[in-house]
Amino acid sequence: KQEVTQIPAALSVPEGENLVLNCSFTDSAIYNLQWFRQDPGKGLTSLLLIQSSQREQTSGRLNASLDKSSGRSTLYIAASQPGDSATYLCAVLSNTDKLIFGTGTRLQVFP
Amino acid sequence: GAVVSQHPSRVICKSGTSVKIECRSLDFQATTMFWYRQFPKQSLMLMATSNEGSKATYEQGVEKDKFLINHASLTLSTLTVTSAHPEDSSFYICSARDLGGTGELFFGEGSRLTVL
Repeated sequence: KQEVTQIPAALSVPEGENLVLNCSFTDSAIYNLQWFRQDPGKGLTSLLLIQSSQREQTSGRLNASLDKSSGRSTLYIAASQPGDSATYLCAVLSNTDKLIFGTGTRLQVFP
Repeated sequence: GAVVSQHPSRVICKSGTSVKIECRSLDFQATTMFWYRQFPKQSLMLMATSNEGSKATYEQGVEKDKFLINHASLTLSTLTVTSAHPEDSSFYICSARDLGGTGELFFGEGSRLTVL
């Protein structure tokens, strides 16, 4: 059974810091991995999608890497801003076509 | 990116009534949509996979007679919470995959159900 874990569970940092959010999964047989952002009481916003054959994806200040063999992904946020405050979720799409979510990292960036 | 619309965004109902939530893919077709449930401060849990033109596939522990799913067209799936009770109060989110794209999943804005 696929299990997805995110570390840390919560993170509070001053504006401007570079951040690394971690995601690990137990079954390496995945189709892709996606990082999402969720603001309180809101739906999900897709940030980055990494196919199983890819090593990383970049969008603006965000960079996500994938090491499928070790079951790990990291989301790197450069020069964090207060507007980055949200919960970040990673999710893996298994070969059984199910998207399994991680436990989430609650990020707070203060001015 | 592709857009998934979910309606209503908030609904309050009395215990014992049924509530229908709609999920529409606005600019793409989706043979498969997914329904998730999220409790406060917890991650999303997959409830069921909605398949166009056939029965939904429910995850273990999810009552199919309680949560009725209909996927009548390539752009619309509905979740009906039947005989709702306060413990059904939750945040429900749907998602759909753009078959014509990268296979990325797009999510609706979610529907917050409160059962009094």
